[in-house]
Amino acid sequence: LAKTTQPISMDSYEGQEVNITCSHNNIATNDYITWYQQFPSQGPRFIIQGYKTKVTNEVASLFIPADRKSSTLSLPRVSLSDTAVYYCLVVPDGSSNTGKLIFGQGTTLQVKP
Amino acid sequence: DAGVTQSPTHLIKTRGQQVTLRCSPKSGHDTVSWYQQALGQGPQFIFQYYEEEERQRGNFPDRFSGHQFPNYSSELNVNALLLGDSALYLCASSLRLYGYTFGSGTRLTVV
Repeated sequence: LAKTTQPISMDSYEGQEVNITCSHNNIATNDYITWYQQFPSQGPRFIIQGYKTKVTNEVASLFIPADRKSSTLSLPRVSLSDTAVYYCLVVPDGSSNTGKLIFGQGTTLQVKP
Repeated sequence: DAGVTQSPTHLIKTRGQQVTLRCSPKSGHDTVSWYQQALGQGPQFIFQYYEEEERQRGNFPDRFSGHQFPNYSSELNVNALLLGDSALYLCASSLRLYGYTFGSGTRLTVV
């Protein structure tokens, strides 16, 4: 499974846009990029998933360049409640999917007033 | 729509004891996976159960075992507890291998 690399921590202020970039140089053709959010003492929560180009939902946007070796999670106008750990995962689809999610250390986002 | 339910929420055990953690999956889900999350680390995959059988296993010793019941609920058992087993234990349910939903976890402290 492709290994991901992301910054350990980031700081932001309320109302700003936050972009968290993840590197996955060894991503395979049938891998999807998935982001989870985790608050203290809670389980990870699915945010967004994409394969290529741009995906947007009510929570975030995910930008994936053509070579798919990196991706950027964009959180518009963050609030204090967005303070959490964000994990970037590469998840195989189809017959390569073993069901085992591999989490790294994640990016701890601290939003300040 | 009930999500994933885990019990208990907190637990304190002594070294050498045994512990059982429980998980009820989200309605409509048939697969349960267990993860261990040490403080400051990402969750680590322990094993996955589908059709009452262990289908995948991570790099955890045999002291970690599990079970899935006909109603899809699951138990995680840890024998001969070590101080290093102190962690947040997360259960994730899915419909086969898609749509993972995590519970809030059980915080296990071994003293």
